[in-house]
Formats: sequence, structure tokens, C-alpha cells
Amino acid sequence: DAGVTQSPTHLIKTRGQQVTLRCSPISGHKSVSWYQQVLGQGPQFIFQYYEKEERGRGNFPDRFSARQFPNYSSELNVNALLLGDSALYLCASSLGTGGGGQPQHFGDGTRLSIL
Amino acid sequence: QKEVEQDPGPLSVPEGAIVSLNCTYSNSAFQYFMWYRQYSRKGPELLMYTYSSGNKEDGRFTAQVDKSSKYISLFIRDSQPSDSATYLCAITDKLIFGTGTRLQVFP
Repeated sequence: DAGVTQSPTHLIKTRGQQVTLRCSPISGHKSVSWYQQVLGQGPQFIFQYYEKEERGRGNFPDRFSARQFPNYSSELNVNALLLGDSALYLCASSLGTGGGGQPQHFGDGTRLSIL
Repeated sequence: QKEVEQDPGPLSVPEGAIVSLNCTYSNSAFQYFMWYRQYSRKGPELLMYTYSSGNKEDGRFTAQVDKSSKYISLFIRDSQPSDSATYLCAITDKLIFGTGTRLQVFP
């Protein structure tokens, strides 16, 4: 069975640009979460979506937005890119919202570099 | 105080050693704990999932939760060079991750 897939794998942008990252969850999983991982740090929670509704938001500016589609895939958008947005962006899927402790399964991420 | 604290290491051990990786957390209400392994340039891979206090074993891996001390541990027996990776603890009640401990197992 396919795991969580993310695209693209690597992206280079310049400051001020906008970027869209994509994620397809494991088949049957209805929840998708997005994380930012800076080198040497653990993943930081950005958003969680379940059944197309936002169920949680981390401490990130409004430049970050996301949505989930009827097929449970998801997109993360980041506007007005800053140098500090350079990171590995991870998508994770789970059966439920995760609030009940359901394990999350990660993709290999999109490495975003801002010049 | 951070909600989850994890020693970043690096931790370097010889092949065959028993490895102990640890995290502490601040909120006694947390209930669900996980350990992930992350190889360089890859996403985190779920290793162990525990709920409540006690031990859970899976092959060479044992996860331990001590709720009275707010302390979680991952033990790796007979460590192998292929275990060299970063190990992340996670509190899934609030989707919080530790900073990760980098482990290197040398032959």
C-alpha cells in the first residue's frame, strides 16, 4: 500500500514568492496534518485537517494556509516567503483527528529553500 | 518550560550496545506517546506507540512510560549501525515533538 506522498520533493523560491505544497494521505486516512521541520529541530505543528475542516492550528502567521479536498488530499500554501521559511515541510496522515492519540504516518517531505 | 524536552545528543555507541533515549514532558494530562525514527533526508517513521504507564516491546525496541515522573524512554537492544538516525519523541494529544536525539552506532 502506498504511504503518504508529497510533491514536489524539493523546491527553490525567492523571497516574496508564494508556494503550494501537496500531500496525498494513506488510503482510508481522513486526517492530514502539516509540520515544519527546521534543521536540527523536531517537527513544528502548522495545521490539522479532518474531513475537510480545520481542526487545529499551530503558532504560525497568516501567511500560512491550507485546505483539504474531498479525496482527503491536502495543500499547504505559504505567501510572501521569507528566508526563515526555509525548512522541510512534512505531511502526516491518520485515521482520525489524532486527538485520541491515533498514530500519524509521515511522508518524506518537501524541502523548501528560499534564496 | 517546554512541553517536551529531549536531549539532542549526539549519542555515539558501539554496535551491540543497549541504547536509552529519553524525553520529559510538562503536562501530566498527556496520555499518548510515540517514538519516531528519522533518517537523513527522510520523513519520520513511526516506531512505537504507547498509552498510559508501563512498557511496550516490539522486537529490539522497548518503549516505557512513567506518568508519575512525566518521563518516557525508548530502549534499543543489540544496537546496529542501521539504527543510526535521529529519534523523536512525540505527544500526540497535542501533536508536539521533541527536538530529536541523534544516535550513531559504530561497528
